[in-house]
Amino acid sequence: DGGITQSPKYLFRKEGQNVTLSCEQNLNHDAMYWYRQDPGQGLRLIYYSQIVNDFQKGDIAEGYSVSREKKESFPLTVTSAQKNPTAFYLCASSYGRAGELFFGEGSRLTVL
Amino acid sequence: GQQVMQIPQYQHVQEGEDFTTYCNSSTTLSNIQWYKQRPGGHPVFLIQLVKSGEVKKQKRLTFQFGEAKKNSSLHITATQTTDVGTYFCAGLMIKAAGNKLTFGGGTRVLVKP
Repeated sequence: DGGITQSPKYLFRKEGQNVTLSCEQNLNHDAMYWYRQDPGQGLRLIYYSQIVNDFQKGDIAEGYSVSREKKESFPLTVTSAQKNPTAFYLCASSYGRAGELFFGEGSRLTVL
Repeated sequence: GQQVMQIPQYQHVQEGEDFTTYCNSSTTLSNIQWYKQRPGGHPVFLIQLVKSGEVKKQKRLTFQFGEAKKNSSLHITATQTTDVGTYFCAGLMIKAAGNKLTFGGGTRVLVKP
């Protein structure tokens, strides 16, 4: 079955540690996105990539980094510079520039 | 920058009743998308509206895109417990520098049986 796989589903991290969230898709989509969702809030865009080896900052990119070395993969690193990293992180992909988003099941990060 | 606002933030509905949630953008949109997120789940695409004044129906759900392409609404008739969740609108602006899809804050729907 085609889809988006995020891992891990739950992650605990100590302050000062970097952590990388995985996102893999087998939908052959060109565009991939990372969103952050806080309790009771909407989705805020962290980074997005429309083609391999290229990505752009979203609205809240500070303290995060990404790479897009393969079409299928778009990992997100939450660095120690991110002041408030505890959140629900959602990866998504889309076929075209204006298409619907397909979301993964999310990764819930808690900083202790 | 582009802002997308949704009202109400919360909607408590008696089972069987109708309700409407509204989405307003500060800028003209290329299209608008609606998503539903069940509690503990991830957003799932419902529909996309592209044309000015467009109306689309999905069973008990009716979606509308405003004439000015700056607002949209979702109307649910005869609410059921399966309608529980948060409904997000997302407005798309297509630019040469790259598309920008901005989500509203969502309307969280609670259904009283």
